[in-house]
Amino acid sequence: DAKTTQPPSMDCAEGRAANLPCNHSTISGNEYVYWYRQIHSQGPQYIIHGLKNNETNEMASLIITEDRKSSTLILPHATLRDTAVYYCIVRVDLTGNTGKLIFGQGTTLQVKP
Amino acid sequence: DTAVSQTPKYLVTQMGNDKSIKCEQNLGHDTMYWYKQDSKKFLKIMFSYNNKELIINETVPNRFSPKSPDKAHLNLHINSLELGDSAVYFCASSQANRGQGYTFGSGTRLTVV
Repeated sequence: DAKTTQPPSMDCAEGRAANLPCNHSTISGNEYVYWYRQIHSQGPQYIIHGLKNNETNEMASLIITEDRKSSTLILPHATLRDTAVYYCIVRVDLTGNTGKLIFGQGTTLQVKP
Repeated sequence: DTAVSQTPKYLVTQMGNDKSIKCEQNLGHDTMYWYKQDSKKFLKIMFSYNNKELIINETVPNRFSPKSPDKAHLNLHINSLELGDSAVYFCASSQANRGQGYTFGSGTRLTVV
Protein backbone atom coordinates (compact mmCIF):
# COMPACT_ATOMS: atom_id res chain seq x y z
CA ASP A 1 0.00 0.00 0.00
CA ALA A 2 1.27 3.44 -0.88
CA LYS A 3 2.18 5.39 2.22
CA THR A 4 1.98 9.11 2.85
CA THR A 5 4.13 11.31 5.05
CA GLN A 6 2.87 14.58 6.50
CA PRO A 7 4.22 16.98 9.11
CA PRO A 8 2.42 16.35 12.40
CA SER A 9 1.42 19.97 12.92
CA MET A 10 1.39 23.40 11.30
CA ASP A 11 0.27 26.89 12.19
CA CYS A 12 -1.26 29.45 9.88
CA ALA A 13 -2.38 33.04 10.39
CA GLU A 14 -6.04 33.75 9.76
CA GLY A 15 -6.61 35.14 6.27
CA ARG A 16 -3.33 33.77 4.91
CA ALA A 17 -2.89 30.79 2.65
CA ALA A 18 -2.29 27.45 4.34
CA ASN A 19 0.01 25.12 2.40
CA LEU A 20 -0.03 21.55 3.63
CA PRO A 21 2.61 19.25 2.14
CA CYS A 22 2.43 15.50 1.64
CA ASN A 23 4.96 12.97 0.39
CA HIS A 24 3.78 9.82 -1.38
CA SER A 25 6.91 8.60 -3.12
CA THR A 26 5.67 5.01 -3.58
CA ILE A 27 2.45 5.99 -5.34
CA SER A 28 1.50 3.91 -8.37
CA GLY A 29 0.60 5.39 -11.71
CA ASN A 30 -3.15 4.92 -11.37
CA GLU A 31 -3.58 5.74 -7.68
CA TYR A 32 -5.42 8.88 -6.70
CA VAL A 33 -4.41 11.31 -3.98
CA TYR A 34 -7.23 12.34 -1.65
CA TRP A 35 -7.38 15.00 1.01
CA TYR A 36 -9.79 14.89 3.93
CA ARG A 37 -10.06 16.84 7.12
CA GLN A 38 -11.54 16.09 10.52
CA ILE A 39 -12.75 18.86 12.77
CA HIS A 40 -12.85 17.88 16.46
CA SER A 41 -14.42 14.42 16.51
CA GLN A 42 -16.73 14.93 13.56
CA GLY A 43 -16.69 12.58 10.61
CA PRO A 44 -13.90 13.13 8.08
CA GLN A 45 -14.86 15.64 5.41
CA TYR A 46 -13.84 15.24 1.79
CA ILE A 47 -11.84 18.19 0.44
CA ILE A 48 -10.39 17.34 -2.94
CA HIS A 49 -8.69 14.60 -4.93
CA GLY A 50 -6.47 14.31 -8.00
CA LEU A 51 -4.50 11.95 -10.17
CA LYS A 52 -1.96 13.93 -12.21
CA ASN A 53 -3.26 17.40 -12.87
CA ASN A 54 -3.67 20.21 -10.39
CA GLU A 55 -7.21 20.52 -9.13
CA THR A 56 -9.26 23.35 -7.63
CA ASN A 57 -12.69 23.46 -6.05
CA GLU A 58 -14.55 25.80 -3.76
CA MET A 59 -12.65 24.57 -0.72
CA ALA A 60 -9.05 24.22 -1.81
CA SER A 61 -6.45 23.64 -4.50
CA LEU A 62 -4.36 20.55 -4.95
CA ILE A 63 -0.93 20.79 -6.52
CA ILE A 64 0.64 17.47 -7.56
CA THR A 65 4.26 17.37 -8.65
CA GLU A 66 5.05 16.10 -12.11
CA ASP A 67 6.60 12.89 -10.77
CA ARG A 68 3.53 12.48 -8.51
CA LYS A 69 5.71 11.77 -5.50
CA SER A 70 4.38 14.68 -3.50
CA SER A 71 1.48 17.08 -3.35
CA THR A 72 0.39 20.25 -1.57
CA LEU A 73 -3.06 21.19 -0.37
CA ILE A 74 -3.67 24.92 -0.44
CA LEU A 75 -6.39 26.64 1.56
CA PRO A 76 -6.25 30.10 -0.04
CA HIS A 77 -7.63 32.16 2.84
CA ALA A 78 -7.59 30.18 6.05
CA THR A 79 -10.21 30.92 8.69
CA LEU A 80 -10.45 29.82 12.30
CA ARG A 81 -12.99 27.21 11.20
CA ASP A 82 -10.30 25.54 9.10
CA THR A 83 -8.54 24.38 12.26
CA ALA A 84 -8.60 20.59 11.90
CA VAL A 85 -6.57 17.48 11.22
CA TYR A 86 -5.83 17.19 7.50
CA TYR A 87 -5.25 13.78 6.00
CA CYS A 88 -3.43 13.09 2.75
CA ILE A 89 -4.40 9.65 1.48
CA VAL A 90 -3.48 7.49 -1.47
CA ARG A 91 -6.47 5.39 -2.44
CA VAL A 92 -5.63 1.72 -2.68
CA ASP A 93 -7.34 0.09 -5.66
CA LEU A 94 -9.09 -3.22 -5.18
CA THR A 95 -10.96 -5.46 -7.59
CA GLY A 96 -13.19 -3.85 -10.14
CA ASN A 97 -13.59 -0.16 -9.47
CA THR A 98 -13.53 -0.45 -5.69
CA GLY A 99 -10.84 0.85 -3.42
CA LYS A 100 -10.06 1.78 0.14
CA LEU A 101 -8.74 4.85 1.92
CA ILE A 102 -5.98 4.20 4.42
CA PHE A 103 -5.62 7.10 6.83
CA GLY A 104 -2.30 8.12 8.32
CA GLN A 105 -1.68 10.42 11.28
CA GLY A 106 -2.40 13.59 9.34
CA THR A 107 -1.36 17.20 9.94
CA THR A 108 -2.99 19.19 12.71
CA LEU A 109 -3.50 22.67 11.28
CA GLN A 110 -3.99 25.42 13.82
CA VAL A 111 -5.29 28.68 12.35
CA LYS A 112 -4.49 31.57 14.64
CA PRO A 113 -6.11 35.02 14.79
CA ASP B 1 -31.52 15.30 4.80
CA THR B 2 -28.42 13.69 6.29
CA ALA B 3 -26.42 11.92 3.59
CA VAL B 4 -24.89 9.23 5.83
CA SER B 5 -26.66 8.74 9.13
CA GLN B 6 -25.61 6.53 12.01
CA THR B 7 -27.57 5.47 15.05
CA PRO B 8 -27.08 5.70 17.90
CA LYS B 9 -24.76 8.66 18.26
CA TYR B 10 -23.64 7.54 21.72
CA LEU B 11 -23.67 4.05 23.17
CA VAL B 12 -22.58 3.11 26.68
CA THR B 13 -22.73 -0.55 27.55
CA GLN B 14 -21.22 -3.15 29.84
CA MET B 15 -18.57 -5.68 28.97
CA GLY B 16 -19.94 -8.89 27.55
CA ASN B 17 -23.03 -7.30 26.01
CA ASP B 18 -23.99 -7.51 22.34
CA LYS B 19 -24.78 -4.28 20.51
CA SER B 20 -25.52 -3.02 17.01
CA ILE B 21 -24.81 0.22 15.22
CA LYS B 22 -26.87 1.13 12.18
CA CYS B 23 -25.86 3.10 9.12
CA GLU B 24 -27.95 4.37 6.25
CA GLN B 25 -27.01 6.46 3.21
CA ASN B 26 -29.35 8.27 0.85
CA LEU B 27 -26.75 9.17 -1.76
CA GLY B 28 -27.41 6.22 -4.05
CA HIS B 29 -23.86 4.97 -3.50
CA ASP B 30 -23.09 1.29 -4.05
CA THR B 31 -20.23 0.90 -1.55
CA MET B 32 -20.27 1.34 2.21
CA TYR B 33 -17.56 1.16 4.88
CA TRP B 34 -16.97 0.94 8.60
CA TYR B 35 -13.99 2.71 10.16
CA LYS B 36 -12.84 2.67 13.77
CA GLN B 37 -11.13 5.64 15.43
CA ASP B 38 -9.40 4.77 18.65
CA SER B 39 -8.31 6.99 21.53
CA LYS B 40 -5.14 7.95 19.65
CA LYS B 41 -7.35 9.31 16.85
CA PHE B 42 -6.06 6.80 14.33
CA LEU B 43 -8.72 5.94 11.71
CA LYS B 44 -8.63 2.31 10.63
CA ILE B 45 -10.81 0.65 8.03
CA MET B 46 -12.70 -2.43 9.20
CA PHE B 47 -15.12 -3.55 6.50
CA SER B 48 -16.52 -2.60 3.14
CA TYR B 49 -19.50 -3.80 1.15
CA ASN B 50 -20.06 -3.23 -2.53
CA ASN B 51 -23.60 -3.98 -3.73
CA LYS B 52 -24.20 -6.03 -0.58
CA GLU B 53 -21.06 -8.07 -1.15
CA LEU B 54 -18.22 -8.01 1.39
CA ILE B 55 -15.07 -6.75 -0.34
CA ILE B 56 -12.89 -5.59 2.54
CA ASN B 57 -12.47 -7.48 5.78
CA GLU B 58 -9.45 -6.20 7.63
CA THR B 59 -7.94 -7.94 10.65
CA VAL B 60 -10.95 -7.52 12.87
CA PRO B 61 -12.05 -9.95 15.62
CA ASN B 62 -14.89 -12.18 14.48
CA ARG B 63 -16.98 -10.69 17.29
CA PHE B 64 -17.59 -7.91 14.78
CA SER B 65 -20.06 -8.85 12.06
CA PRO B 66 -21.22 -6.43 9.39
CA LYS B 67 -24.55 -6.93 7.68
CA SER B 68 -25.78 -5.21 4.55
CA PRO B 69 -29.47 -5.87 3.87
CA ASP B 70 -29.37 -3.57 0.84
CA LYS B 71 -27.08 -1.05 -0.84
CA ALA B 72 -28.29 1.78 1.37
CA HIS B 73 -27.63 0.10 4.71
CA LEU B 74 -24.59 -1.33 6.45
CA ASN B 75 -25.01 -2.33 10.08
CA LEU B 76 -22.31 -3.39 12.52
CA HIS B 77 -23.06 -5.98 15.18
CA ILE B 78 -20.59 -6.54 17.99
CA ASN B 79 -20.76 -9.58 20.26
CA SER B 80 -19.24 -9.96 23.71
CA LEU B 81 -18.07 -6.36 23.95
CA GLU B 82 -14.66 -5.72 25.49
CA LEU B 83 -13.13 -2.60 27.00
CA GLY B 84 -10.83 -2.28 23.97
CA ASP B 85 -13.82 -1.91 21.69
CA SER B 86 -14.38 1.57 23.08
CA ALA B 87 -13.89 3.94 20.17
CA VAL B 88 -15.71 6.12 17.68
CA TYR B 89 -17.08 4.12 14.75
CA PHE B 90 -17.62 5.90 11.45
CA CYS B 91 -19.71 4.71 8.56
CA ALA B 92 -18.95 5.96 5.05
CA SER B 93 -20.21 5.48 1.53
CA SER B 94 -18.94 6.01 -1.99
CA GLN B 95 -19.69 5.21 -5.58
CA ALA B 96 -17.23 2.57 -6.75
CA ASN B 97 -15.80 4.51 -9.63
CA ARG B 98 -12.18 5.36 -9.41
CA GLY B 99 -11.66 8.86 -8.18
CA GLN B 100 -14.87 9.35 -6.23
CA GLY B 101 -14.88 10.83 -2.76
CA TYR B 102 -16.21 9.13 0.34
CA THR B 103 -18.94 10.63 2.49
CA PHE B 104 -18.66 9.92 6.20
CA GLY B 105 -21.29 9.84 8.89
CA SER B 106 -20.94 11.78 12.12
CA GLY B 107 -19.83 8.75 14.11
CA THR B 108 -21.02 6.56 16.97
CA ARG B 109 -19.11 6.91 20.22
CA LEU B 110 -19.08 3.49 21.88
CA THR B 111 -18.01 3.26 25.52
CA VAL B 112 -17.66 -0.14 27.12
CA VAL B 113 -17.57 -0.11 30.92
